[in-house]
Amino acid sequence: AQTVTQSQPEMSVQEAETVTLSCTYDTSENNYYLFWYKQPPSRQMILVIRQEAYKQQNATENRFSVNFQKAAKSFSLKISDSQLGDTAMYFCAFMKHGGNEKLTFGTGTRLTIIP
Amino acid sequence: EAQVTQNPRYLITVTGKKLTVTCSQNMNHEYMSWYRQDPGLGLRQIYYSMNVEVTDKGDVPEGYKVSRKEKRNFPLILESPSPNQTSLYFCASSLRTGVRELFFGEGSRLTVL
Repeated sequence: AQTVTQSQPEMSVQEAETVTLSCTYDTSENNYYLFWYKQPPSRQMILVIRQEAYKQQNATENRFSVNFQKAAKSFSLKISDSQLGDTAMYFCAFMKHGGNEKLTFGTGTRLTIIP
Repeated sequence: EAQVTQNPRYLITVTGKKLTVTCSQNMNHEYMSWYRQDPGLGLRQIYYSMNVEVTDKGDVPEGYKVSRKEKRNFPLILESPSPNQTSLYFCASSLRTGVRELFFGEGSRLTVL
């Protein structure tokens, strides 16, 4: 079974600064997908960024980028030029390739952007 | 607009009173799933469905039932709710191909007294 660990329950950063959220996972699979989801106070689950394990290049989406270290089973999210709208709970998630599409989630990191 | 719609968004009920949370998607997705979110536990899968009439248990199926009679609908049924089913529930759907993105509904906050 897969497990996903987010060791930072809460973080805060000043607006416009850069922040990195950590995520580690445990799996015996070789092919899989990793995701970061954002949950703002509205509770909606919003996909921030995804990474396919077979791709060595780190995914990037505007101000959001990941540092994917497959051997270390690490998948951190970097938010550059943080904005007040980035305040949210962030979940790291794992999906096995070819499985039942189940997402295994971490326990989340609550990020607060301070004006 | 492509979306997953859940109802009700909020519900307070009492122990033992059967309830159904509906979920409908308009994206012609084969795959649908239910998750529950609890503080400190993240989201956990309850049930999933690969296609019409095909359902299976997730990680925390006890106390829940589902059905998939139509492709677009995947209701979650609590036959006899108990207080430990107080939670935030999410329905999700996907195409099962390509980018593997799950589209989530807006969540249903359920309180069982």
